[in-house]
Amino acid sequence: EPEVTQTPSHQVTQMGQEVILRCVPISNHLYFYWYRQILGQKVEFLVSFYNNEISEKSEIFDDQFSVERPDGSNFTLKIRSTKLEDSAMYFCASSTTQKATEAFFGQGTRLTVV
Amino acid sequence: AQSVTQLGSHVSVSEGALVLLRCNYSSSVPPYLFWYVQYPNQGLQLLLKYTSAATLVKGINGFEAEFKKSETSFHLTKPSAHMSDAAEYFCAVTASGGATNKLIFGTGTLLAVQP
Repeated sequence: EPEVTQTPSHQVTQMGQEVILRCVPISNHLYFYWYRQILGQKVEFLVSFYNNEISEKSEIFDDQFSVERPDGSNFTLKIRSTKLEDSAMYFCASSTTQKATEAFFGQGTRLTVV
Repeated sequence: AQSVTQLGSHVSVSEGALVLLRCNYSSSVPPYLFWYVQYPNQGLQLLLKYTSAATLVKGINGFEAEFKKSETSFHLTKPSAHMSDAAEYFCAVTASGGATNKLIFGTGTLLAVQP
């Protein structure tokens, strides 16, 4: 069964460092998303991406964040200068179309900023 | 704007008992509604979804949910809990006619199943 895969499963980084979280969406999907879940809080939308462009982003997704689909298979989330409050589980998701009623989620990357 | 409210951050039931997890939504447009489950150290898995067809939706693992527009509710039920149902459950909403299908999640309900 096709699935969204994310690497690494856990990343520890020092405050101020850049991190790149990687995702491989399901191969025939065209819409990609990043969500995050701070420990004990709800899952929050960060950004959606289609046709090599951001289609929507939340207030959380500030200039410190960027997304890229560098090679047609990977979908990455970069945080330029991490802060303690960036510590969270980050989920990648993908869907076939914009109107698709199901997004498939990866298992997440737990980011710990120390 | 859309939102979901999940009543009860923690619910505990005995094995074999009815599971009822509550979700109320707010949406200015017809919503699509979802329940996702998150097992420990795993990602989000779709349990079921409502997309304006039948109001009673059946999902995986014996779960079902009923869309009640008059009550703006989409509660999740299972007649008989199993130990393997212990997990966190998230209700989510998206706009049926929205520009994107970003999901707005509730705060989650952690289900414990006692032997």
